[in-house]
Amino acid sequence: EPEVTQTPSHQVTQMGQEVILRCVPISNHLYFYWYRQILGQKVEFLVSFYNNEISEKSEIFDDQFSVERPDGSNFTLKIRSTKLEDSAMYFCASNGSPTEQYFGPGTRLTVT
Amino acid sequence: KQEVTQIPAALSVPEGENLVLNCSFTDSAIYNLQWFRQDPGKGLTSLLLIQSSQREQTSGRLNASLDKSSGRSTLYIAASQPGDSATYLCAVDTGGFKTIFGAGTRLFVKA
Repeated sequence: EPEVTQTPSHQVTQMGQEVILRCVPISNHLYFYWYRQILGQKVEFLVSFYNNEISEKSEIFDDQFSVERPDGSNFTLKIRSTKLEDSAMYFCASNGSPTEQYFGPGTRLTVT
Repeated sequence: KQEVTQIPAALSVPEGENLVLNCSFTDSAIYNLQWFRQDPGKGLTSLLLIQSSQREQTSGRLNASLDKSSGRSTLYIAASQPGDSATYLCAVDTGGFKTIFGAGTRLFVKA
């Protein structure tokens, strides 16, 4: 069964460094999303992406964040100059039409 | 601004019991509502999706209902099993490519 994959599973970085989180959505899907979940808190929407551009973004998704689909299979989230409060699980999701979303296993980001 | 609330925050039941998890949302103009399961430290597994035009969906022992006008959805789990222990999340798609999650209900089913 096709699934969304994410790499790495765990990333440790120092405050101020840039990180890139990678996702491979399900191959025939067209809509892509990033979410984050701070430990013990709600899953929070960050951004949605369709047709090579951002469709919607939350107030969390400020200039520190960017997304890209560099090729036909990968979808990346870049965080510039990481802060301690960026420590969270980051989930990628995709769907083939605006319906059921399929989530990846997540990347745990730890900023020290 | 859409807000999603889940009640109860935590629930502990003996094996075999039927149970209901509740989700409410403040803006009835939704595109769909999805129920997920999350195991500790893991990703989200989709359980059921209800389109805004639908009233309910069923999968095995799970049944989800949607009352858009009152801003409510329920997830019914029949004959609960210890393997059902997890956090159950309700998520509302606002139709603008944006999904808002509730905080979840932590379910523990005792053997």
